[in-house]
Amino acid sequence: EAQVTQNPRYLITVTGKKLTVTCSQNMNHEYMSWYRQDPGLGLRQIYYSMNVEVTDKGDVPEGYKVSRKEKRNFPLILESPSPNQTSLYFCASSQDGASDTQYFGPGTRLTVL
Amino acid sequence: AQSVTQPDIHITVSEGASLELRCNYSYGATPYLFWYVQSPGQGLQLLLKYFSGDTLVQGIKGFEAEFKRSQSSFNLRKPSVHWSDAAEYFCAVGAPGAGSYQLTFGKGTKLSVIP
Repeated sequence: EAQVTQNPRYLITVTGKKLTVTCSQNMNHEYMSWYRQDPGLGLRQIYYSMNVEVTDKGDVPEGYKVSRKEKRNFPLILESPSPNQTSLYFCASSQDGASDTQYFGPGTRLTVL
Repeated sequence: AQSVTQPDIHITVSEGASLELRCNYSYGATPYLFWYVQSPGQGLQLLLKYFSGDTLVQGIKGFEAEFKRSQSSFNLRKPSVHWSDAAEYFCAVGAPGAGSYQLTFGKGTKLSVIP
């Protein structure tokens, strides 16, 4: 089954404790991206990757890092989380960039205390 | 820079009634336009998309949308709403063609359906 998986689905952590949210897709897609969803703000793009070892900033990259060492995986790293990063995070992938249909993961709800 | 406005934060309709969700975009040329739906506790799913050609596009679950260049709009419609349509709906805009990597979403419209 074609899918995008994220782990963990729920995470409660404390300020400053490094964490990684994993994202994996099994569709051999070249493009992957991360979004955060906040009430009243919709989805905002954090980072995206056009292919292995090629990443770029989206609209709200501050406080986040990403890497793309393999085509299928695109982890989101918060090296020193802060409470304002409490949010719902979605990973998405597509074959042909932002102009193509995006396939979304189920989301990761992160709470930073 | 591209942007999307969804003027209605929350809409309530009765089951069986018609529905129209509004979306206005800002972009220098004709963009690629999308509608996504997010059911409670779920990720987003594509309803339909417009790239070019016929300005009335059909999607899944009985939805359609009409692209109006003169109004910079891409409104989503459904003739008869079902209770299962209760969800949040997002309009999105992307630059056309290969090499487009940034997708901009609107803030969403939450749809409630009264039985």
